[in-house]
Amino acid sequence: GAGVSQTPSNKVTEKGKYVELRCDPISGHTALYWYRQSLGQGPEFLIYFQGTGAADDSGLPNDRFFAVRPEGSVSTLKIQRTERGDSAVYLCASSLAGGPPHEQFFGPGTRLTVL
Amino acid sequence: LAKTTQPISMDSYEGQEVNITCSHNNIATNDYITWYQQFPSQGPRFIIQGYKTKVTNEVASLFIPADRKSSTLSLPRVSLSDTAVYYCLVGDGASGGYQKVTFGTGTKLQVIP
Repeated sequence: GAGVSQTPSNKVTEKGKYVELRCDPISGHTALYWYRQSLGQGPEFLIYFQGTGAADDSGLPNDRFFAVRPEGSVSTLKIQRTERGDSAVYLCASSLAGGPPHEQFFGPGTRLTVL
Repeated sequence: LAKTTQPISMDSYEGQEVNITCSHNNIATNDYITWYQQFPSQGPRFIIQGYKTKVTNEVASLFIPADRKSSTLSLPRVSLSDTAVYYCLVGDGASGGYQKVTFGTGTKLQVIP
């Protein structure tokens, strides 16, 4: 079956620009997570959705970062006024409510480069 | 969230058994222990999870002693394709559904021909 997909796979932008990163979770998975991973580090939690609502956005670094999931399926991570420090791989994961705890299914990530 | 400590890196020859130990001294009663594997340019992949004693699946075994303050991921007869970063996570498994998980820096396993 189809796994989690993310688009684009690579995004290069200039400092100060706006970017959107998309995540298509596994069909039927109500929970969706965004992480950011810098080189040599483990994934860093950004935000979690249960259905359409952001249940935990405590990992968003500042107000330039925002995420939506309007219909409870596809999610978009939006970054305004990008900075060079935002360069990282952005990972999306989804999970099944009631499934084994901590079993999240990850997409391949979007590599964001801010020049 | 309980903090975990694991070796930064390990090397192993092909065909050997590899054991990666994770320390989690502050593990709570409801916490489960979960291991993920991550290949370069891919997202992490869930490989095994346990609460106590031993769990085995087609990929690995997970050994958890009675005090649960550590756990050991065992990979039998590794091959070059097992070269990856392995993450140990600890978190509340009682609530079901969502649990915020924290990835550390993981253990980078290099399998040598």
